[in-house]
Formats: sequence, C-alpha cells, structure tokens
Amino acid sequence: EAGVTQFPSHSVIEKGQTVTLRCDPISGHDNLYWYRRVMGKEIKFLLHFVKESKQDESGMPNNRFLAERTGGTYSTLKVQPAELEDSGVYFCASSPGQGVSSYEQYFGPGTRLTVT
Amino acid sequence: LAKTTQPISMDSYEGQEVNITCSHNNIATNDYITWYQQFPSQGPRFIIQGYKTKVTNEVASLFIPADRKSSTLSLPRVSLSDTAVYYCLVRGNLIFGKGTKLSVKP
Repeated sequence: EAGVTQFPSHSVIEKGQTVTLRCDPISGHDNLYWYRRVMGKEIKFLLHFVKESKQDESGMPNNRFLAERTGGTYSTLKVQPAELEDSGVYFCASSPGQGVSSYEQYFGPGTRLTVT
Repeated sequence: LAKTTQPISMDSYEGQEVNITCSHNNIATNDYITWYQQFPSQGPRFIIQGYKTKVTNEVASLFIPADRKSSTLSLPRVSLSDTAVYYCLVRGNLIFGKGTKLSVKP
C-alpha cells in the first residue's frame, strides 16, 4: 500500500512568489491534515480536511495560505505571496474514517520550502 | 486544550528498556493518548495509542495510570535505530510539542 506522498520534496522560491504544495493521502483516507515546522520550532497544525470539507483551519497563519481538497482526494496548499518566515518543512498526514481510528495519522516525508 | 510535558532528551544503551513519561494534567475525558516517532528528515510515524491501563503492540507498550494525567511509552531492548524524537499527543489538540530526543549508544 502506497503511503502519503508529497510534491515537491524541496522548493526554493523568492519572496513574493507563489508556491503550491501537493499532498496525496493514502487511498480511502477521509482525513487529511497539513502541518509545518519552521526552523527550530515545533511541528504546528495548520488544518484538517474531512473529505473535501475543511473541518478545522484554526492553525492557518494568515490569508496568504490557501488549502484545497477538491473531490476529497489529493490536497494542495498554496502560499501567495510567500514571505521569508514561511520557510520550513510542510508535512501532510492522512488517517482513515472517524473516531479512534482517525487518530492514527500517517505522515508524508514533507516538503522543504525555502523562501529567499 | 490539554498540554503535554516530556523530558527534552534521554540517553540509553543498546539492549536496554527505555521509558519516556509524558505529563498531561488537563486531559479531557474523551481524549486518547498517542505517541509518534520521528527520524531526521522524515515525517512523524505513529507508534501506539491508548486510553487507559496498558496497550502493547509489536513496537512498544503504553502505560496509563487510572487518573490518566500521565502516560509512559516503553521501548523494550532499544537498538541504535531507535534514536529519534518521540512525541506524546493528547487527542483534542494536534500539538506536537518539543518531544523527547532519545539517543541510543552502542
């Protein structure tokens, strides 16, 4: 069974540019989460999809970040325009169903974003 | 939201049992306790989850006392490959915290 995949693995952009990160969850997983870790800091929750709906987006830092999950399959996280403080590693995770089983999240390898 | 507290780091030797304790004094009635492992340059990996008493799988055991204000992850006979950061999470929030950096020495 394929795990959670993320693309690209690494992105270097200039301040003010736009970047779109992609996450493909494990097939059949309704729950999809985005997290990020900025340099030297802890992993922070960004948002949670249940199928195509945003269940919780309380962790999104500001309106420069837009997450979508059209059709309830893969998800994209767009940063526009990117700022220096957006640099870090962005993780995606997925989990099945509801209830207790949904707490077991499977993480992707992350996308390392560098804004210069 | 339930906050967790773990030791920043721990050292061990190959073949020893390692116990990492996490405090979560404000855990809610419906909260489960979940532990993740993270290697450098990788995403966290689910290890084990529990609600009360003891849970065991092929990787670890999780001990939770009756008051549920803490939990202990037990890794039997660690090897060098168990060197990683271990995170304790309490369901109800998705806050990873600083985790515990475990270093296993030969």
